[in-house]
Amino acid sequence: EPEVTQTPSHQVTQMGQEVILRCVPISNHLYFYWYRQILGQKVEFLVSFYNNEISEKSEIFDDQFSVERPDGSNFTLKIRSTKLEDSAMYFCASKTKGRALDEQFFGPGTRLTVL
Amino acid sequence: AQSVTQPDIHITVSEGASLELRCNYSYGATPYLFWYVQSPGQGLQLLLKYFSGDTLVQGIKGFEAEFKRSQSSFNLRKPSVHWSDAAEYFCAVGALNTGFQKLVFGTGTRLLVSP
Repeated sequence: EPEVTQTPSHQVTQMGQEVILRCVPISNHLYFYWYRQILGQKVEFLVSFYNNEISEKSEIFDDQFSVERPDGSNFTLKIRSTKLEDSAMYFCASKTKGRALDEQFFGPGTRLTVL
Repeated sequence: AQSVTQPDIHITVSEGASLELRCNYSYGATPYLFWYVQSPGQGLQLLLKYFSGDTLVQGIKGFEAEFKRSQSSFNLRKPSVHWSDAAEYFCAVGALNTGFQKLVFGTGTRLLVSP
């Protein structure tokens, strides 16, 4: 069964460093998302991406964040200068074209630890 | 703004006993509701969803949920819990603002199953 994959599973970085979190969505999917979950808190929407552009972003997704689909298979989230408060689990999700409210398929997440 | 409340952070149930996980939502329009499950080291897996029609929806793994508009609730139930059901359960509402779905999650309920 096709699935969303994410690498790495755990990333440790120093404050101020850039990190890139990688996701491979399901191959025929067209809508892509990033969510994050700070430990003990709820899963929060960060950004949605369709047709090679951001379709919606939350207030969390400031200028330090960017997304890219560089090669037609990967979907990346870059944090330019990490802060301690960026430590969280980051989930990628994808959805096929169809009804706007059909199921999103989630990856296993990348745990980001900023020291 | 949309919001989801899961009032129980942890629930412990004996194996074979029934289960009900509570979810209350706040959303101005007709809600699109989801239950996801996350096992350790895994991504978020969809258990079931409600869009319209019959207010009692059946999902995978023997789960069901009932939508009650008057109570703004979408509680998840299972008649007999198995040890493999131990996981974290997330209720979510689909918010359709710009035509592109984003999910608004609750804080999750961790289910522990005792022998």
